[in-house]
Amino acid sequence: AQTVTQSQPEMSVQEAETVTLSCTYDTSESDYYLFWYKQPPSRQMILVIRQEAYKQQNATENRFSVNFQKAAKSFSLKISDSQLGDAAMYFCAYRSKGAGGKLIFGQGTELSVKP
Amino acid sequence: DSGVTQTPKHLITATGQRVTLRCSPRSGDLSVYWYQQSLDQGLQFLIQYYNGEERAKGNILERFSAQQFPDLHSELNLSSLELGDSALYFCASTPSGDHEQYFGPGTRLTVT
Repeated sequence: AQTVTQSQPEMSVQEAETVTLSCTYDTSESDYYLFWYKQPPSRQMILVIRQEAYKQQNATENRFSVNFQKAAKSFSLKISDSQLGDAAMYFCAYRSKGAGGKLIFGQGTELSVKP
Repeated sequence: DSGVTQTPKHLITATGQRVTLRCSPRSGDLSVYWYQQSLDQGLQFLIQYYNGEERAKGNILERFSAQQFPDLHSELNLSSLELGDSALYFCASTPSGDHEQYFGPGTRLTVT
């Protein structure tokens, strides 16, 4: 079975600085998807970024980018130029390809942004 | 706004009772997923439906059941409620194929 681990329960960053959230996963599959979701105080789950395992190029979405290391089974999220609105719980998630495709989530990292 | 709607937003009920949570997926999405978010268990997959049929089951208790109707909305039924069932229940939808899941705002269930 696949597992996702986020080893940093809490992180803090100064506004305008850069922060990296860590995620590792375990799987025997060769093709899959990885995601980062943001959950602000409103509790809405918002997709931040998506990575397909067969793509070697790291995904980027504006200030958000990932460092995907397939061999190491590592998938970290880098937030550049941090803003107060980035304060939230961040979840790393894994999804197998094909039919079904449930999301398997890590425990989450609570990110606070200091002005 | 993801386009996925869930009702009610909040639900407070007593132990032993039964409740129904409702989810309307995004227009055109055939697949619906239910997740439970609790302090103890984190975010867990419960069950998936695709075009009216059950597709996958996760850590769903026997006291819980779900269905997807011909208009594609889904309902999650929770019965014989226990204090430990207090949680945020999310519905997510996706079209067929490999697409990301879009989450509804969730239903917060409190069992007293």
